[in-house]
Amino acid sequence: DVKVTQSSRYLVKRTGEKVFLECVQDMDHENMFWYRQDPGLGLRLIYFSYDVKMKEKGDIPEGYSVSREKKERFSLILESASTNQTSMYLCASSWSETGELFFGEGSRLTVL
Amino acid sequence: TQLLEQSPQFLSIQEGENLTVYCNSSSVFSSLQWYRQEPGEGPVLLVTVVTGGEVKKLKRLTFQFGDARKDSSLHITAAQPGDTGLYLCIGGNNRKLIWGLGTSLAVNP
Repeated sequence: DVKVTQSSRYLVKRTGEKVFLECVQDMDHENMFWYRQDPGLGLRLIYFSYDVKMKEKGDIPEGYSVSREKKERFSLILESASTNQTSMYLCASSWSETGELFFGEGSRLTVL
Repeated sequence: TQLLEQSPQFLSIQEGENLTVYCNSSSVFSSLQWYRQEPGEGPVLLVTVVTGGEVKKLKRLTFQFGDARKDSSLHITAAQPGDTGLYLCIGGNNRKLIWGLGTSLAVNP
């Protein structure tokens, strides 16, 4: 079975803390994505990566950074978490930029 | 800017009923995908349509892509509680994916 694995299902952090969300895929996909999902706002793209060490900003990159040192791993970093970053974070991978997306189970982050 | 409108936003029906949900845009897409997301999980792809007028069937689900490739519909026949979830459509164009906000479907036993 193909798989996208996110490191944590649930996290609770305090304002100002640094947060790492990790995502690993086993499908040898070139493209990986980080989305956040909020009620009434749908899925919004934070960053995507089309190759190792390559990244592009999505629609809402402010307050986030990413790292892709290996093809299978894509990390999302919140340098200084804020309460408005409380959300469900979804990682996905794909063969192409607009092809089928394979999602992880999501990481629900609460920032207090 | 929201370019994909999904309707209805919420739908609650009884088991056995039929339903149709819609995904509309003023933009032309090279492809359109439908996903279902269950609570607490990531979305899972149901189907991809690429040709104007295309119809695809997946058991009790029928997907149609509009002739002009600007809209799509999902029809479910004899809905079951297992169909409950958030149905999302996304359009692909120019290296970009455009997401709808989804239709939240509840099928009551």
